[in-house]
Amino acid sequence: DVKVTQSSRYLVKRTGEKVFLECVQDMDHENMFWYRQDPGLGLRLIYFSYDVKMKEKGDIPEGYSVSREKKERFSLILESASTNQTSMYLCASSGGTGPNEKLFFGSGTQLSVL
Amino acid sequence: QQQVKQSPQSLIVQKGGISIINCAYENTAFDYFPWYQQFPGKGPALLIAIRPDVSEKKEGRFTISFNKSAKQFSLHIMDSQPGDSATYFCAASKGANNLFFGTGTRLTVIP
Repeated sequence: DVKVTQSSRYLVKRTGEKVFLECVQDMDHENMFWYRQDPGLGLRLIYFSYDVKMKEKGDIPEGYSVSREKKERFSLILESASTNQTSMYLCASSGGTGPNEKLFFGSGTQLSVL
Repeated sequence: QQQVKQSPQSLIVQKGGISIINCAYENTAFDYFPWYQQFPGKGPALLIAIRPDVSEKKEGRFTISFNKSAKQFSLHIMDSQPGDSATYFCAASKGANNLFFGTGTRLTVIP
């Protein structure tokens, strides 16, 4: 089975801190994604990557950046955390030729920014 | 702007009943419509998906009904079970582009 592992289940940070969320997948998938999940808003795409060192903005990239130095690892960076970035963050990966192939999600990181 | 509108926000169904979740979209270029199921503490997982060349797809107790002219699609869960209690997300995409998700429906099946 594909496994997508997110480094932290819960994270509490202070406003202004730099925050790193890490994600690792073990199926050699080309495509990786970061979503945030908020009640009443569903899943919204922050950033995605089709290959190592490549990144593309999703629907809500403001305040975030990403890094993909290795194929299996995709990091989400909050340069200066703000309270409105308190959310559940979900990492996903997919193989195949198109990004809308079956997505495999991690269990999520619940980030609280105080 | 929500590309995919999902309703209801929450749903309570008796065991053995039929659960129905509806989604609507505006972009006629969408050509892939999956449903994801999410249990508490877990990430979403693909449940079933349909492309617009068919009007219905069934996998076990789960059926997607697709109405291209109305730009609507729905998930039907027959003989709903307590183990089906989860949050369900519809989604849509165009070609090889990324998915747009609905806002989610929290389903509770009462024993």
